[in-house]
Amino acid sequence: QQKVQQSPESLSVPEGGMASLNCTSSDRNFQYFWWYRQHSGEGPKALMSIFSDGDKKEGRFTAHLNKASLHVSLHIRDSQPSDSALYFCAASEGRGSALGRLHFGAGTQLIVIP
Amino acid sequence: GGIITQTPKFLIGQEGQKLTLKCQQNFNHDTMYWYRQDSGKGLRLIYYSITENDLQKGDLSEGYDASREKKSSFSLTVTSAQKNEMAVFLCASSRTVNTGQLYFGEGSKLTVL
Repeated sequence: QQKVQQSPESLSVPEGGMASLNCTSSDRNFQYFWWYRQHSGEGPKALMSIFSDGDKKEGRFTAHLNKASLHVSLHIRDSQPSDSALYFCAASEGRGSALGRLHFGAGTQLIVIP
Repeated sequence: GGIITQTPKFLIGQEGQKLTLKCQQNFNHDTMYWYRQDSGKGLRLIYYSITENDLQKGDLSEGYDASREKKSSFSLTVTSAQKNEMAVFLCASSRTVNTGQLYFGEGSKLTVL
């Protein structure tokens, strides 16, 4: 059973709109989260990490973490066609050498419609 | 900056064949990883190497061998390819194992006939 679940599987938003992606961990030990983005034909690239409760903003991207529910979300403001990609949520235990041992969700395919 | 180079980009094999994928990084990173990507299943960790001469099993190590020949290179061997198997194998590196910021290559696509 996958320890990190993402929803929705696929999401379409108009250019300039807001995209909201969700992720939940079923393992209480996984409290450190990353968002990765993969464009077609490329490897995933790290977007941002979030380790503390609350919001973290980087440009048009805002991540929100609720540690009590182990739920993390990613919100993309003013979505651009170049944001169309597969988005992965990844979680780790965060204890010493476990930080780099990421567990990935199945991904959300984002399509931004011009 | 740096780059992860995976070879070959495409690999076609026969059932039962032993197949090897290679990965090189010039970041001078300590830690390297091999992930398998299947449609609808995300990325699953096969093997990782914390430093040169180290080897750690991931969640999907059965059916695979790995070798960290030197700091900059990490190889993965499919010990016996399964008929109709199709997957993308992704190599990644990180500065140390104490970070979740991984840098990925573009992947090697395996097709087994």
